[in-house]
Amino acid sequence: AQSVTQLGSHVSVSEGALVLLRCNYSSSVPPYLFWYVQYPNQGLQLLLKYTSAATLVKGINGFEAEFKKSETSFHLTKPSAHMSDAAEYFCAVSDKDGNKLVFGAGTILRVKS
Amino acid sequence: KAGVTQTPRYLIKTRGQQVTLSCSPISGHRSVSWYQQTPGQGLQFLFEYFSETQRNKGNFPGRFSGRQFSNSRSEMNVSTLELGDSALYLCASSLDGSIRTDTQYFGPGTRLTVL
Repeated sequence: AQSVTQLGSHVSVSEGALVLLRCNYSSSVPPYLFWYVQYPNQGLQLLLKYTSAATLVKGINGFEAEFKKSETSFHLTKPSAHMSDAAEYFCAVSDKDGNKLVFGAGTILRVKS
Repeated sequence: KAGVTQTPRYLIKTRGQQVTLSCSPISGHRSVSWYQQTPGQGLQFLFEYFSETQRNKGNFPGRFSGRQFSNSRSEMNVSTLELGDSALYLCASSLDGSIRTDTQYFGPGTRLTVL
């Protein structure tokens, strides 16, 4: 079955520092991978998605993620954290039939001033 | 273009009652999916509707049901509420429901508290 594992339920960075949120996937078919962000009391917003077109995927708000098949990883990065990046981030994979998203447990990002 | 709207935003019910949540998708979207978000289980898929038909279903008991109307608006119903049903219920809409080629847009959710 398709699954994702997010390493670290909480990540804390200083403003201006590199953001790295880790996601490893397990998939029996070529995966479609996603990163979503959730701000307090809001729904999920798509940051970026990997659909096999390019291994380095650029998303909104300066985020990007790199698909590494050899490592079964899809880590999310941003060169310089901003206070407004504080939120919960979810990695997700499409189920094998492409019918639904299977989410990781989420990583709460805290940005310190 | 208006986003996905969910009503009500907050709801408090007692055990044994039933509840109906509503989701209005983005105009032109025909697929609506529902997810449950809890601190313990995370985000879990409930079901997906397309053109008034349930196409996919997650692993939830029969107390959870839904429907979709001809204007693509969807409702989900939970009967005989249990404490464990307390959660944020999110709906997502997309043009055709294909996760791989389409984009799902999420609403703000309905926060259900069962006392």
